[in-house]
Amino acid sequence: NAGVMQNPRHLVRRRGQEARLRCSPMKGHSHVYWYRQLPEEGLKFMVYLQKENIIDESGMPKERFSAEFPKEGPSILRIQQVVRGDSAAYFCASSSRQGVKNIQYFGAGTRLSVL
Amino acid sequence: SQQGEEDPQALSIQEGENATMNCSYKTSINNLQWYRQNSGRGLVHLILIRSNEREKHSGRLRVTLDTSKKSSSLLITASRAADTASYFCATDGTGANSKLTFGKGITLSVRP
Repeated sequence: NAGVMQNPRHLVRRRGQEARLRCSPMKGHSHVYWYRQLPEEGLKFMVYLQKENIIDESGMPKERFSAEFPKEGPSILRIQQVVRGDSAAYFCASSSRQGVKNIQYFGAGTRLSVL
Repeated sequence: SQQGEEDPQALSIQEGENATMNCSYKTSINNLQWYRQNSGRGLVHLILIRSNEREKHSGRLRVTLDTSKKSSSLLITASRAADTASYFCATDGTGANSKLTFGKGITLSVRP
């Protein structure tokens, strides 16, 4: 039973390029969350998705960032025209949200470096 | 300001000692969770305590929750060098689609 899979683990982009981060949730999980973590800081919530729906995107920057979780395939976090300030670790988590328990299972993260 | 805020920010102890970490939050919650993160890795869920529970144990972990003070503590007994990691509390609000809100974390160093 594979856990949450994120790829790539490391991504290097030059300013102005696009970054696409992928996340496959745990089997049976239909809830996906994306977080950003800067060095020495906690996780900042970005977006919460279910299949084909964005439930809460209150943590997403208004411009350049988008996320999707299609019916088939992984969830994608897309950052257009990256800037140096986008350099961070991006974590995906999935959950089954059974009852009131929202235990989230995390992937190993994608470390984005913008040159 | 953040929903979950841990203290201390950093803790260094000797192997075998107990480690106590605290978390405070501001709004009503369904439950509170503690996660652990090893350097360069994702977070791993440790323990969940519901809002109607006061104390919970799991192995060497003991979690308490005081909803009147909006605070929680995580106690790791008989610490080991392998417990060295960052620890985060996360609160799950009362809304139907509420998200987990994480604190900034506590860096625990256990000296062998």
